[in-house]
Amino acid sequence: NAGVTQTPKFRVLKTGQSMTLLCAQDMNHEYMYWYRQDPGMGLRLIHYSVGEGTTAKGEVPDGYNVSRLKKQNFLLGLESAAPSQTSVYFCASSSQGTDTEAFFGQGTRLTVV
Amino acid sequence: QQQVKQSPQSLIVQKGGISIINCAYENTAFDYFPWYQQFPGKGPALLIAIRPDVSEKKEGRFTISFNKSAKQFSLHIMDSQPGDSATYFCAASLHDMRFGAGTRLTVKP
Repeated sequence: NAGVTQTPKFRVLKTGQSMTLLCAQDMNHEYMYWYRQDPGMGLRLIHYSVGEGTTAKGEVPDGYNVSRLKKQNFLLGLESAAPSQTSVYFCASSSQGTDTEAFFGQGTRLTVV
Repeated sequence: QQQVKQSPQSLIVQKGGISIINCAYENTAFDYFPWYQQFPGKGPALLIAIRPDVSEKKEGRFTISFNKSAKQFSLHIMDSQPGDSATYFCAASLHDMRFGAGTRLTVKP
């Protein structure tokens, strides 16, 4: 069982470069989320989606864009990377929203130099 | 502004001891309070969760105690084992999920 798969697992970007992180889930979940994890700050919600074709802003959305063209995929884009976006990014999915279990991917470690 | 405050930041417990991690929240509208466990290099995984209509939930060695009036909840790990060494996050949710800063637990053999 794959669950939630994130691609890539590691990436180094130069300031100003763009990239897209891919999240894929095979559990037919409606809800998908992107979090960033920084030392001493826990996980902070960037954007989320409550279904195919929908997206919404979370706690720290600035500098990121997302798309949910297919139910199983949730893409996180950085248009112009900044060193402040150096972080570990986690994708998660759940069947019925934030009051049910969220299943997390293994994370993407992004460094912006 | 952190809506969920977690303490302590780190905790060292001897094998067989009790580990206690505390969280406090601000928004009384939160309606779901999960705890997640994260091992190095892995994503968080749900450990146990509680809703505000109950004061305690127990699953094996793990217990959540919930105090609605004080807006606090805690995780108790009984008979702590070295395999429990991980980072633990409390969270609270309404429309989205807000996480605490995490507690790194080390259980010494």
